[in-house]
Amino acid sequence: NAGVTQTPKFRVLKTGQSMTLLCAQDMNHEYMYWYRQDPGMGLRLIHYSVGEGTTAKGEVPDGYNVSRLKKQNFLLGLESAAPSQTSVYFCASRPPSLVYEQYFGPGTRLTVT
Amino acid sequence: GEDVEQSLFLSVREGDSSVINCTYTDSSSTYLYWYKQEPGAGLQLLTYIFSNMDMKQDQRLTVLLNKKDKHLSLRIADTQTGDSAIYFCAESEGYQKVTFGTGTKLQVIP
Repeated sequence: NAGVTQTPKFRVLKTGQSMTLLCAQDMNHEYMYWYRQDPGMGLRLIHYSVGEGTTAKGEVPDGYNVSRLKKQNFLLGLESAAPSQTSVYFCASRPPSLVYEQYFGPGTRLTVT
Repeated sequence: GEDVEQSLFLSVREGDSSVINCTYTDSSSTYLYWYKQEPGAGLQLLTYIFSNMDMKQDQRLTVLLNKKDKHLSLRIADTQTGDSAIYFCAESEGYQKVTFGTGTKLQVIP
């Protein structure tokens, strides 16, 4: 099993450009999450999904959109990138359980200039 | 809202014990967690404790929970250089929400 994979690993964007980050998991997990990690701020939840075809806003959703067309994939879109979106983005998945045993991808380092 | 606080940095000598501390504000927390993040990688769940427990031991790891003071700690016995990483405390309530702390960077000096 590959677990949780993220594409791409690194990306540099200019302000105003758009891009999509792809997260894929092969564990048949229902729940998937997108976080951003910034120095001194821990992980902040951007959006999450509790199943195929469903999405919900997290703590910091502005400037991002998501889609979960297939159970194994969770896409994070930036329509018009801003320097404030420079961050490391992590995807995670987990089965439906009260215990948050989340499985994280390796991260995508995004720089917006 | 919920808040989880950790100190940013801890340095220990190889072979010593490490104690990483965390405080949280949500009195409705169901589970509390310790995640480990190695350089360039995602977070990995180390251990977790149910909120009605005081202690959990797993090999070199000991988790202590003081629910009255909303204080969680992670003790790593016989700390090794491979334990160098960032450690995140987290708490959850129900199915939908987990809150992470800011992370404590553990440096192990050989």
